[in-house]
Amino acid sequence: KQEVTQIPAALSVPEGENLVLNCSFTDSAIYNLQWFRQDPGKGLTSLLLIQSSQREQTSGRLNASLDKSSGRSTLYIAASQPGDSATYLCAAPLYSGYSTLTFGKGTMLLVSP
Amino acid sequence: KAGVTQTPRYLIKTRGQQVTLSCSPISGHRSVSWYQQTPGQGLQFLFEYFSETQRNKGNFPGRFSGRQFSNSRSEMNVSTLELGDSALYLCASSLVGSDYQETQYFGPGTRLLVL
Repeated sequence: KQEVTQIPAALSVPEGENLVLNCSFTDSAIYNLQWFRQDPGKGLTSLLLIQSSQREQTSGRLNASLDKSSGRSTLYIAASQPGDSATYLCAAPLYSGYSTLTFGKGTMLLVSP
Repeated sequence: KAGVTQTPRYLIKTRGQQVTLSCSPISGHRSVSWYQQTPGQGLQFLFEYFSETQRNKGNFPGRFSGRQFSNSRSEMNVSTLELGDSALYLCASSLVGSDYQETQYFGPGTRLLVL
């Protein structure tokens, strides 16, 4: 059964900084990994989905990488902005063959102006 | 296309009562999953429905149940509510739910408070 861990639990940075969020998983036979964003009291917004055959995915200022051998994924945010303040969650398939997900507990990011 | 919708958005109940939450998936999506989010446990998978059948189930007591209708809309029910059931309940939909290239689309959630 897949387990996902995220560090740090919280991060506070000044506007403009580049930052890295970390995610680790236990089952290296991972088929994909997703990064989500959650604003306070809201649902989840999918940011990036990386297939196991890919090493990274990019969307605007976001870049996510996947290293199956080490059981790690990172989300890189370039030139952070106050609007990036949110909780970031990574998730992997819970069961082989299904898109049902297991989540890390998230990193709460605060970007100060 | 309209996104995933959940009703009601907020709910206050007392211990011992039961509650029913509703989820309407994105049009054309046939897989609906339910998750519970609490500050202590984070996001945990409850169950998944596909074509009106429960396909997967998380580690929750039998007080938690669900169903899916022929139009893919889903409901979840919690009976004999406990204080610990206070949480944000999120619904997610995907096309078939068995394709690794699919992403799940989440609704805004129903926030349940049990007093």
